[in-house]
Amino acid sequence: NAGVTQTPKFHILKIGQSMTLQCTQDMNHNYMYWYRQDPGMGLKLIYYSVGAGITDKGEVPNGYNVSRSTTEDFPLRLELAAPSQTSVYFCASRPTGGEKLFFGSGTQLSVL
Amino acid sequence: QKEVEQNSGPLSVPEGAIASLNCTYSDRGSQSFFWYRQYSGKSPELIMSIYSNGDKEDGRFTAQLNKASQYVSLLIRDSQPSDSATYLCAVNGGGSQGNLIFGKGTKLSVKP
Repeated sequence: NAGVTQTPKFHILKIGQSMTLQCTQDMNHNYMYWYRQDPGMGLKLIYYSVGAGITDKGEVPNGYNVSRSTTEDFPLRLELAAPSQTSVYFCASRPTGGEKLFFGSGTQLSVL
Repeated sequence: QKEVEQNSGPLSVPEGAIASLNCTYSDRGSQSFFWYRQYSGKSPELIMSIYSNGDKEDGRFTAQLNKASQYVSLLIRDSQPSDSATYLCAVNGGGSQGNLIFGKGTKLSVKP
């Protein structure tokens, strides 16, 4: 049981480039989340999904897009990367009716 | 805007002492409260949840909730160097999606 898997673990992106952060979970959880964490800060919600085909914006969605074509996968797309998107990105999931979040190991992204 | 406030610390305590971590929240309608521990470079992990006023104990950890004062705390008894981490307070943001709102975290250092 792998839980929540994120790839890549580290990445350096040039300003203006685009990339997709991958997140997959094997626990059949309906709810999935993308958070970003800047140094010394808490987690800010970017996007979330309550099930396949359903996504919604969180607190800081600008510059990002998501899709949820399957229960397992919830990729985060960065378009036209900016230095302000330098952060650690965490994907998380939880089952319907449960409140515990299961986190992936994170992706450290630098935009230079 | 719903907010969760924590003293960022660092909070330094000697080994064997009681560490007291505090959190206040702005939404009086919040019903679920969580403490996550995050080691440096790692993802958050849930250590305590509390839903009703009073104390909840789990081993060396005690969560305390006072909804009238909109205050949540975490006590760590017999603190160990392995407890050195950042502790994130999280509050359920309400609504059917149940998204968590995180504080910035308090960095705890336990000195041998």
